[in-house]
Amino acid sequence: QVQLQESGPGLVKPSQTLSLTCTVSGDSISSGSYYWSWIRQPAGKGLEWIARISSSGNANYNPSLKSRVTISVDTSKNQISLDLTSVTAADSALYYCARCNLVLPDYWGQGTLVTVSS
Amino acid sequence: QSALTQPRSVSGSPGQSVTISCTGTSSDVGGYNYVTWYQRHPGTAPKFVIYDVNKRPSGVPDRFSGSKSGNTASLTISGLQAEDEAEYFCCSYAGGYTIVFGGGTQLTVL
Repeated sequence: QVQLQESGPGLVKPSQTLSLTCTVSGDSISSGSYYWSWIRQPAGKGLEWIARISSSGNANYNPSLKSRVTISVDTSKNQISLDLTSVTAADSALYYCARCNLVLPDYWGQGTLVTVSS
Repeated sequence: QSALTQPRSVSGSPGQSVTISCTGTSSDVGGYNYVTWYQRHPGTAPKFVIYDVNKRPSGVPDRFSGSKSGNTASLTISGLQAEDEAEYFCCSYAGGYTIVFGGGTQLTVL
C-alpha cells in the first residue's frame, strides 16, 4: 500500500521560503500512473489545494498561490517537493502531500505542521 | 470559508444511518462526476472512503455509500459503528486542473 511522509522545518520566519519534501513508499512515482499534490489546512479553516505534478514534471497550480509556489519531482529519490516563497503568518498550516488518481487525491500523508513566526 | 459547504456536525446512534451533504456549484460538484469523500481521525492521514461520487475503494465497508443530485453530493453511512466517529470531508474537481474541498463534518456516534 502506498504511503506518503511529509518532512520539513516546523518553523519558518516571515518573508523566507518554506521548503517541504514528501517521500513516497509502496509506489513508484516514475510509473507515471498518477499525479502528486500538495494540500494545506490552516488551523480552524478548510483545506486548500496548492499544486500537483506528474512524474514527467508537468505541473498545475492553484491560481491564488501560483506566483509564490514551485512544485518539483525527484523520481530517483521517489520524492516530491514544495517551495513557497515570501511566507507570512497566513501560510501557517498543516501541509499534506497526496497521490492523485486522475484528478482527485486518494492516498494522503499524515501532514506536517508549519508555523510562520519570527 | 471553504468552496464546498458541509454541515459542521452530525450525530447518530449505533446502528442508525447518517447522511452528510456537500454542496457546491455547477462549476464543481454539479459539473463533474469527480467527488471523493475522506474520513479523518485526529492525527492520522485522511482515508478515502468514496470516489467518483459513488465508488467504494477496496476494503471500505459497504455501509459507506455516495450519491449526487445537482450541485450536492452526499455520503451516507448506515449501521453506524463507534469506529465511524471521525471528521468527514468532500473534495470535487473544479475544472482547469483545480480541486476544491468542503469544510469538514464531525460525525459523533452517540
